[in-house]
Amino acid sequence: GEDVEQSLFLSVREGDSSVINCTYTDSSSTYLYWYKQEPGAGLQLLTYIFSNMDMKQDQRLTVLLNKKDKHLSLRIADTQTGDSAIYFCAETSGTYKYIFGTGTRLKVLA
Amino acid sequence: SAVISQKPSRDICQRGTSLTIQCQVDSQVTMMFWYRQQPGQSLTLIATANQGSEATYESGFVIDKFPISRPNLTFSTLTVSNMSPEDSSIYLCSVEVQNYGYTFGSGTRLTVV
Repeated sequence: GEDVEQSLFLSVREGDSSVINCTYTDSSSTYLYWYKQEPGAGLQLLTYIFSNMDMKQDQRLTVLLNKKDKHLSLRIADTQTGDSAIYFCAETSGTYKYIFGTGTRLKVLA
Repeated sequence: SAVISQKPSRDICQRGTSLTIQCQVDSQVTMMFWYRQQPGQSLTLIATANQGSEATYESGFVIDKFPISRPNLTFSTLTVSNMSPEDSSIYLCSVEVQNYGYTFGSGTRLTVV
């Protein structure tokens, strides 16, 4: 079945850039998403990208998609302590059913 | 995007009892989704709830264990029945907003002792 994988942990210093990576197996993925989950909270949609795009930038966030390698990344520029959270990537082939990655726990060091 | 209110936010329950989780959306939506997030893991879809019909359950989840109600287009409940410690998880409801993606409630953190 479809699978979405992420590294479990990432630690960066405040002010540096963070890059969170995600690989997926479903070649029919149409939409790919990044969600943020802060402690004790639900998931907040950060950004998304369509499969026919290579890059999308939204303020401090940059999403890169390599469809050939089925690799998605989220770059957070000027990382702040408030960015500490778990980040999930998710993909869908256009149906209601999303496949979520295991989440990457980002820790920002002051 | 839609705003989802979910309650309770957390609960500690005795094994063998049941807990009903409520999810209220501030706009009418056709489909509502219930997810489970076990400790340290990703989200797993439990079921999809459409108004006026029985919920559709994903593999590994059954109606007797997770009965769902969907009385109208803005509200749904999920019951976790006959709980055991393995049911300790975060339960999240979600709706899909057109051209936006999923929006999630803040979740219900359930601990079964």
